[in-house]
Amino acid sequence: DAMVIQNPRYQVTQFGKPVTLSCSQTLNHNVMYWYQQKSSQAPKLLFHYYDKDFNNEADTPDNFQSRRPNTSFCFLDIRSPGLGDAAMYLCATSSDRVRQYFGPGTRLTVT
Amino acid sequence: AQTVTQSQPEMSVQEAETVTLSCTYDTSESDYYLFWYKQPPSRQMILVIRQEAYKQQNATENRFSVNFQKAAKSFSLKISDSQLGDAAMYFCAYRSFVSGNTPLVFGKGTRLSVIA
Repeated sequence: DAMVIQNPRYQVTQFGKPVTLSCSQTLNHNVMYWYQQKSSQAPKLLFHYYDKDFNNEADTPDNFQSRRPNTSFCFLDIRSPGLGDAAMYLCATSSDRVRQYFGPGTRLTVT
Repeated sequence: AQTVTQSQPEMSVQEAETVTLSCTYDTSESDYYLFWYKQPPSRQMILVIRQEAYKQQNATENRFSVNFQKAAKSFSLKISDSQLGDAAMYFCAYRSFVSGNTPLVFGKGTRLSVIA
């Protein structure tokens, strides 16, 4: 009965090689978020979708893009990963933009 | 801009004892939400407890309770009868009451260890 699912849980990519992380939800929430969390740090919001409306945080690098083809799925694309992009990437959903439901995260390693 | 400060990077507690995690925040707003999220190792972050600033009564969820001091801008989490499963990273978070695209502001977290 997983509600926010992230695939894969662990992803290894090479420096500069595009990578896509996936998030799906069974909650039918209209808001989906992507966070970056580096070791021993708080999650940092990259962007979020309110329905199909995309909202980018001001300091999110252009290297990070997102797609939301439907309510259930949201993707994080990293066009040219650098070593500094190695992190845990968290997806979260919300129906009221107050309480957020988090997925288990994808740990990205860049070699 | 709002900030959230967790001054204890690490805490430990004996099983069955009580522990309090500290959180302070800075805001000029009068209405907002405060949260404690728990992130166990290699598992997803879950909401532990939530407090609306307009409510004077402290929120309680089973063994978890908060001490919300609005004037002091303090929001501590008390865990009673600590269990091994309580071991996790705990994040305090703030959200403005304003509707719309308002993000959660997280503190840096407190890592809680539970000693058997």
